[in-house]
Amino acid sequence: DIQMTQSPSTLSASVGDRVTITCRASQSISSWLAWYQQKQGKAPKLLINKASTLESGVPSRFSGSGSGTEFTLTISSLQPDDFATYYCQQYKAYSYTFGQGTKLEIK
Amino acid sequence: QVQLQESGPGLVKPSQTLSLTCSVSGGSVSSGGYYWSWIRQHPGKGLEWIGYISYRGSTYYNPSLNSRGTISQETSKNQFSLRLSSMTAADTAVYYCARRFPVAGYFDYWGQGILVTVSS
Repeated sequence: DIQMTQSPSTLSASVGDRVTITCRASQSISSWLAWYQQKQGKAPKLLINKASTLESGVPSRFSGSGSGTEFTLTISSLQPDDFATYYCQQYKAYSYTFGQGTKLEIK
Repeated sequence: QVQLQESGPGLVKPSQTLSLTCSVSGGSVSSGGYYWSWIRQHPGKGLEWIGYISYRGSTYYNPSLNSRGTISQETSKNQFSLRLSSMTAADTAVYYCARRFPVAGYFDYWGQGILVTVSS
């Protein structure tokens, strides 16, 4: 399986901050990467597919970049609604695998 | 708008078989090129993909399940199901059903999830 590693595991930030979450794959996955947001007690919500394509309805303060083995999710100006856990997921190969998650906390 | 809803028991005894159903509305499980997946999340942990059934009925499972999983579909009810045998405490998790986008492997619609606890 392709291993996905996110960093940091926890990120403390304030409203208005610019934050970046990193996701690394154990082998090249081209751009076959998705990002999800999960709030406590809820299902994950798809934010970005193919590394940088924003899903319809997702605020433009979210952006994704990268290819190969290193990817980033950036939130340009944190809003109160953004405090959640974020997961990356590779879909280059079966079995699909997720990162361990990055919990974004209010500082 | 596509909606998915899991149903099934919240408590399963060790060694028993878990049966979960996902009811789909706003889309068909047997057309459109979509693949229908099960994903689980152990308490306080990350996400683990279990497997899928395609709109044509083909299946693929995560080898980590050691052949314990079976996914089937009932097109007349627009549902698909998961059976997971030989349940242990390690299978305690929230189980989600989700739709995989065509010709891609990301999940664009998810059910709300159902907590399954394995305990005697």
